[in-house]
Formats: sequence, structure tokens, C-alpha cells
Amino acid sequence: SQQGEEDPQALSIQEGENATMNCSYKTSINNLQWYRQNSGRGLVHLILIRSNEREKHSGRLRVTLDTSKKSSSLLITASRAADTASYFCATNQGSSNTGKLIFGQGTTLQVKP
Amino acid sequence: DTAVSQTPKYLVTQMGNDKSIKCEQNLGHDTMYWYKQDSKKFLKIMFSYNNKELIINETVPNRFSPKSPDKAHLNLHINSLELGDSAVYFCASSPTDRGIVGTEAFFGQGTRLTVV
Repeated sequence: SQQGEEDPQALSIQEGENATMNCSYKTSINNLQWYRQNSGRGLVHLILIRSNEREKHSGRLRVTLDTSKKSSSLLITASRAADTASYFCATNQGSSNTGKLIFGQGTTLQVKP
Repeated sequence: DTAVSQTPKYLVTQMGNDKSIKCEQNLGHDTMYWYKQDSKKFLKIMFSYNNKELIINETVPNRFSPKSPDKAHLNLHINSLELGDSAVYFCASSPTDRGIVGTEAFFGQGTRLTVV
């Protein structure tokens, strides 16, 4: 069943502003990952946070994980027009070790120049 | 030097036909996957192979049959195509890190299948 749920479904901001996307999931996880998908392209891995980590940074990206609330957030700081894309969270479940990722429905981000 | 490559990129075919999508990865990963993305961008796993062995087989019609001749290749064959099979199909691969499979997935560019 669908595990990840993201909000908002769509987000439109001006260049230079920060963008925050949230993800919630239902079962225990090994890790949670965020991916970006540009229109008509494949998914690109952005960042992975393990279940025993609470926060992780990569460049302009900051991810938090709250396993007690089963939620994560992705913050993109100082956004650029090139950040326009869909962003997906994906969870690697704790109960199995198959690498199966369960994706949220995604947040479509538009950054206006 | 594409990491995960799948062919074709576009596939338009008539109902009832049989078609295949090929996928190859040159990353040395043990695990490969097929995902389906529908028109609402919802991504769902279909199959996964680890070292040529099927480890995930989600509730997928048996018209879909994956084949892994070696750990670098995972092909998807679809029989008797139906209108509802129209979607984008993504191949992906991932390494195993500290015993955990799926620390990061590398996706192909997708195959947009249109059944008419």
C-alpha cells in the first residue's frame, strides 16, 4: 500500500525563497530518501537519511526525520529556477531487506525567476 | 557512460501486441528494479532482482514478465498489451550498504509506453 504522503502537492515560490516539503509514512523504516524528477526525465537521488539520524545537510538541501511522528521534511534554501521539478520522498521499509522503495505522491515545485 | 540505460525511450503500440523494454546498468549493483509511474506521477514498484534472483514480485498481472540474464541486465516483457498499461516504466538499480539493500536507487530515463 502507498506509504508516503507528501504535502503540499504543489508549491510555487519566487527565486531566492526557501521551499519546504513534508512527507509522512506509516511503518518502520531503514532509511528515507528524497528524489527529484525533472519533467520527462528519470528520478535523481538527492539525499538519504537513516532511521537513527535526525537531520542531514547537502548543499542547499536540509532534511529532517522524526521517527516518532513518522515524518520528514525537505528544505531547499535560496531556491533557483533550476530547482523547478517534482520532489518525491521514498522509504526503505524496516521489515524487509529487499531495497523496495515506497514513494510518496510527490510535490511539484515551481520556482519563478 | 550512462549508469542505468533503458531502451526504447518511447514505445507506441497497439492493444494485444507483445513488447519488451531493456535495461542495463554499469554500476556493478546487485539489485535492479522495475517501477511504473502512472499519469498522476504515482510510482509503484513492480519487480526486483538481486543477483539475478527475483526478490520482489508485487501484484502485477502475469502478462508482465521480467528476465534477468545477468546482474547487469533486467528486461521487462509485456504480453497482450492493454490500454491500462500505458505509463512510464523506470528501471533502477541500487547497491547494498552494510547489509542494507537499497541505500540509493539510480534510475534510468524511463520508457513512455502508449497503448492505442
